Amino acid sequence: DAEITQSPRHKITETGRQVTLACHQTWNHNNMFWYRQDLGHGLRLIHYSYGVQDTNKGEVSDGYSVSRSNTEDLPLTLESAASSQTSVYFCASSEAGVNYGYTFGSGTRLTVV
Amino acid sequence: AQSVTQLDSQVPVFEEAPVELRCNYSSSVSVYLFWYVQYPNQGLQLLLKYLSGSTLVKGINGFEAEFNKSQTSFHLRKPSVHISDTAEYFCAVIPYSSASKIIFGSGTRLSIRP
Repeated sequence: DAEITQSPRHKITETGRQVTLACHQTWNHNNMFWYRQDLGHGLRLIHYSYGVQDTNKGEVSDGYSVSRSNTEDLPLTLESAASSQTSVYFCASSEAGVNYGYTFGSGTRLTVV
Repeated sequence: AQSVTQLDSQVPVFEEAPVELRCNYSSSVSVYLFWYVQYPNQGLQLLLKYLSGSTLVKGINGFEAEFNKSQTSFHLRKPSVHISDTAEYFCAVIPYSSASKIIFGSGTRLSIRP
């Protein structure tokens, strides 16, 4: 069965370190998204991609970057982790041009100490 | 610009009671509408969607929602809830003009009391 997988499930890192969160989907979806979820803020879009080599900034992109070298993967990198980036991160994917909604991964809980 | 408002951040109900979770949206263009559910420590799962046609939409786990264009609402209902429905529920829209970017409401936490 097709799926979307995030790794790791939990991560603790120190302030200032570079961290990369992985997202891998086998749905063959063109569109991929990264969200962070914080109490009182719901889900906020960090970055998104509509296909290979395409990346776009979302509403809270500062301090984050993504790259899309193939259809299956959209890794999210925190260049220099800050305590404000402690959050739960969700990756999602969707088909291009078809509005069946998004498929979400199970999330990565990141703690920056 | 589009926005989604979920009017209640928390809704406590007794088991087997009916529930309605309210969702209103604002958009200058037509939208597709969705409800997602997030069980504790899990990702979001699609509950139901409205794309076109009948305004009453049935989803998984006995939930349904009704699209009301004049009220710009998409309220979620269930006639009799179970303990297992305890979760956070998110209303969301995708505007026709930007077919691939979803906009979420802030969520409603449904807690079921035995």
